[in-house]
Amino acid sequence: ETGVTQSPTHLIKTRGQQVTLRCSSQSGHNTVSWYQQALGQGPQFIFQYYREEENGRGNFPPRFSGLQFPNYSSELNVNALELDDSALYLCASSRTSGATWGHETQYFGPGTRLLVL
Amino acid sequence: SQQGEEDPQALSIQEGENATMNCSYKTSINNLQWYRQNSGRGLVHLILIRSNEREKHSGRLRVTLDTSKKSSSLLITASRAADTASYFCATVSQGGKLIFGQGTELSVKP
Repeated sequence: ETGVTQSPTHLIKTRGQQVTLRCSSQSGHNTVSWYQQALGQGPQFIFQYYREEENGRGNFPPRFSGLQFPNYSSELNVNALELDDSALYLCASSRTSGATWGHETQYFGPGTRLLVL
Repeated sequence: SQQGEEDPQALSIQEGENATMNCSYKTSINNLQWYRQNSGRGLVHLILIRSNEREKHSGRLRVTLDTSKKSSSLLITASRAADTASYFCATVSQGGKLIFGQGTELSVKP
């Protein structure tokens, strides 16, 4: 198991509600990435945070937002939930430095399964 | 959007046999990584191969990369029932974001 933890493990919401998912990075890691995985699909990149700043974003609308805290933990917030937001949300942490930029191994947490009714 | 295709989508073999999965991608890359996922849980990193490498080994795993064909393969030798999982390739082009394929579902029967 990696040292990346996510909470909660499961969540049920209704359309229009807002949700906050949390991720605690592996010790010593300074970069957090979030991915959405629909059933039967590969994960899709949502965004990445490095030193508390957004450092790249995938093809997701602005109602998907995030934060990274000084201890490198992170939150993913989704507003105005839609049925299609039902998915497994995965967080991954890595240690990024100038020497290894783009070649880091990302360590994934167990995910949060979100169901929107 | 997905980077590319994985082939086959599903593979069923007997314990002790070898399993080969293929991955194709579309753009130039820094590296390509393979991950395993058990029953919709978190992904486990298996191996990373850089764009200037052609082959890499890790235990029973062998990965090849052909950048001219934009393809990679993962070979698992002497498979075990515990290898049953979904396997994903992911490319890294810039900025460290992983772009995943659709995955291959491997079933190893005892």
